[in-house]
Amino acid sequence: QVQLQQWGAGLVKPSETLSLTCAVYGGSFSTYYWSWIRQPPGKGLEWIGNIYHSGSSNYNPSLKSRVTISVDTSKNQLSLRLASVTAADTALYFCARIRGGSYAVDYWGQGTLVTVSS
Amino acid sequence: QSVLTQPPSVSGAPGQKVTIPCTGSSSNIGAGYDLQWYQQLPGTAPRLLIYGNTNRPSGVPDRFSGSKSGTSASLAITGLQAEDEADYYCQSYDSGLRGVLFGGGTKLTVL
Repeated sequence: QVQLQQWGAGLVKPSETLSLTCAVYGGSFSTYYWSWIRQPPGKGLEWIGNIYHSGSSNYNPSLKSRVTISVDTSKNQLSLRLASVTAADTALYFCARIRGGSYAVDYWGQGTLVTVSS
Repeated sequence: QSVLTQPPSVSGAPGQKVTIPCTGSSSNIGAGYDLQWYQQLPGTAPRLLIYGNTNRPSGVPDRFSGSKSGTSASLAITGLQAEDEADYYCQSYDSGLRGVLFGGGTKLTVL
């Protein structure tokens, strides 16, 4: 049974850096892509970026200048850092597992609501 | 263009069939990339309903089915139940984005 458990600060001040971590339990860490996806309140889903166990990553061009996704294969964890946040970055953030080939998102974390406010 | 287009809302009565369309382009659905569908209840993570255009993960009722043709795809739900009331999202890989692309989502209301 695969489980993704995520945590991080729920309140971040404008211009500061959002930081979240996600631990993966069960399954193989090295044969999937790992991703962060967000959902602003009342809106749709937005892909933030992917990373492979090797560290190879791809980011949404709209966020690329501010995003860093990293992995710690010794702990089966992935992390998200989003710099210079504004109110527009307020959202429910999910970590997720992506199947190669189909790019289906088959497992999701529970979600972390991050609010950007002073 | 890196967009998947869905209608904002659809509705149907219990027991009826509804279809949710998803229109893409040559950089996603039209390029042959797989199309997925997700169901999201308020405040929860999305649930994978259909992957690889037509396949259901274990535990998804066969009332849910997917199809794909050209640059479009659709999700059909037969025998509508009150519990099907949720938001539904289509998703594919997009070569312009070089990553995962979601449709804007469709809210299904069971009348």
